[in-house]
Amino acid sequence: AQRVTQPEKLLSVFKGAPVELKCNYSYSGSPELFWYVQYSRQRLQLLLRHISRESIKGFTADLNKGETSFHLKKPFAQEEDSAMYYCAPLQGYQKVTFGTGTKLQVIP
Amino acid sequence: SAVISQKPSRDICQRGTSLTIQCQVDSQVTMMFWYRQQPGQSLTLIATANQGSEATYESGFVIDKFPISRPNLTFSTLTVSNMSPEDSSIYLCSVYDGELFFGEGSRLTVL
Repeated sequence: AQRVTQPEKLLSVFKGAPVELKCNYSYSGSPELFWYVQYSRQRLQLLLRHISRESIKGFTADLNKGETSFHLKKPFAQEEDSAMYYCAPLQGYQKVTFGTGTKLQVIP
Repeated sequence: SAVISQKPSRDICQRGTSLTIQCQVDSQVTMMFWYRQQPGQSLTLIATANQGSEATYESGFVIDKFPISRPNLTFSTLTVSNMSPEDSSIYLCSVYDGELFFGEGSRLTVL
């Protein structure tokens, strides 16, 4: 099974500081990975998928096959970025599992 | 994008009872997924509900405890049977349509 590791349960940064939420995966082949976000009192929603190589709300994530990582980055954190972030691999047909999650806290 | 409605949104139940959670999707989908999110934890996949066949359960989850129905392509139910306080969680229904869409969740508290 494809597995991901999010080593940080909580990440606190000051507003305007760079953010990097770590995600490492441990499986072979071509992984399909997502970042999901859950803001307070809202549904879990997709933030990024690696195949689209897009930037959403200033966040980017590059799949690094050499380091087996899919870290989520943003150059300047905003207070509204405070949320739970989950790295999630696609396991087979339509089945998505979730990492342990990292709580991002942006300090004003 | 899929719109998913779940009910109840929350409930408080007594130990030993059972509760059925309903999930309605606004479009026809092949598979529906049920997740559990225990307090302070990430999401864990319980099972995949397929229309016209038995649900496929993940390791650690069994049909006797979490029976699932999938009578048509837009609806599914998850029952949490013989509940104990350890079943207190948020239960989430979801569908995959290019990405995973979620219902608002059913927050279950077992006393």
